[in-house]
Amino acid sequence: GAGVSQTPSNKVTEKGKYVELRCDPISGHTALYWYRQSLGQGPEFLIYFQGTGAADDSGLPNDRFFAVRPEGSVSTLKIQRTERGDSAVYLCASRPGEGGGYTFGSGTRLTVV
Amino acid sequence: AQKVTQAQTEISVVEKEDVTLDCVYETRDTTYYLFWYKQPPSGELVFLIRRNSFDEQNEISGRYSWNFQKSTSSFNFTITASQVVDSAVYFCALHGGATNKLIFGTGTLLAVQP
Repeated sequence: GAGVSQTPSNKVTEKGKYVELRCDPISGHTALYWYRQSLGQGPEFLIYFQGTGAADDSGLPNDRFFAVRPEGSVSTLKIQRTERGDSAVYLCASRPGEGGGYTFGSGTRLTVV
Repeated sequence: AQKVTQAQTEISVVEKEDVTLDCVYETRDTTYYLFWYKQPPSGELVFLIRRNSFDEQNEISGRYSWNFQKSTSSFNFTITASQVVDSAVYFCALHGGATNKLIFGTGTLLAVQP
């Protein structure tokens, strides 16, 4: 597609439930990033993929968070046993590779009630 | 470690005033990129500029200009003759050549009053 697509745009879930957030990057972009933006804060790095593998997952806050990119294109961020503190906008970005600029999606607003 | 500091949390100006948003960064990488993004109330991150660490030339794009000073590790952003449509949160960000990820500052909320 022309841009980075994230679905759903909004997700409301109950505390303790499992959620999946999807990111469809720009075709051909090898690098894919996930960020979390809490209210009034800057985007915070979670994880980045180069191809199918997670090159750096140092930003994942705990083992309830997991992300995959099985075919090197679409990525899914999975959150288990959601907590109210997980409420935030989750942003995805992709890059064509070394030296390329970042293109961000519109984000998924996750609300845990 | 990499860090981006935007000391100004909020700035309020009146239309047509010039305004400068400050950004100070820390990195051990010799090769890195600096970015500015605009985030209007709609929430999307709008790319404004990318500058690599070897290019210290200042840049001007319309009413926007950027001052990169490696000696002080700063990459400041000036809007000339501000307009109400400039109201947004502005983020400075750093991409380190070794770490290969983008680190954001906490942002500056700019409010331009008519």
